[in-house]
Amino acid sequence: AQSVTQLDSQVPVFEEAPVELRCNYSSSVSVYLFWYVQYPNQGLQLLLKYLSGSTLVKSINGFEAEFNKSQTSFHLRKPSVHISDTAEYFCAVSAITGGGNKLTFGTGTQLKVEL
Amino acid sequence: GAVVSQHPSRVICKSGTSVKIECRSLDFQATTMFWYRQFPKQSLMLMATSNEGSKATYEQGVEKDKFLINHASLTLSTLTVTSAHPEDSSFYICSARRIAEAFFGQGTRLTVV
Repeated sequence: AQSVTQLDSQVPVFEEAPVELRCNYSSSVSVYLFWYVQYPNQGLQLLLKYLSGSTLVKSINGFEAEFNKSQTSFHLRKPSVHISDTAEYFCAVSAITGGGNKLTFGTGTQLKVEL
Repeated sequence: GAVVSQHPSRVICKSGTSVKIECRSLDFQATTMFWYRQFPKQSLMLMATSNEGSKATYEQGVEKDKFLINHASLTLSTLTVTSAHPEDSSFYICSARRIAEAFFGQGTRLTVV
């Protein structure tokens, strides 16, 4: 079984400031890692993913996350946030083999970007 | 990218009635789809795994007779909330996996009055 911990339920930040949303996971098997973003009353949109290869993955809108196996972390970062980044962010994992393709989600982090 | 369409986006129903929510994979076939429930300001809770051509697999604590799931084709899964009550009011989201990646529907806001 897997578990995901997002320690920060809310992160307020001023526009153009850097931000880091933390994600740690626990699993007895190798996993894929994901970050999803959810805007109010909408489904989830994939922000970025780590499946294999380079441990640093980047999205088209400036977010990046680094898979750290030794620390079992997949923190999300952006060097300069915009008002439009205000949303709920979910970290998720799924077992590479077995597990029935299920995603296990963290509790989410509300990013609030202020002027 | 792959698209998953969920309908309706919002529904209000009277207590005791049933509501059907549809989840379609528009450009790929999905033998497995997932149904989640999300309470306000909380994470997604997996309710059940929908399997094409066979019975759904429900998570512990989810009433299978209340939340009926049908996955009759490779592109459509439906969730029917039977005899809905106000406590069933929630945001329901479906997803379909293609290889290692999950794609989510837009969600359905169910309000039972």
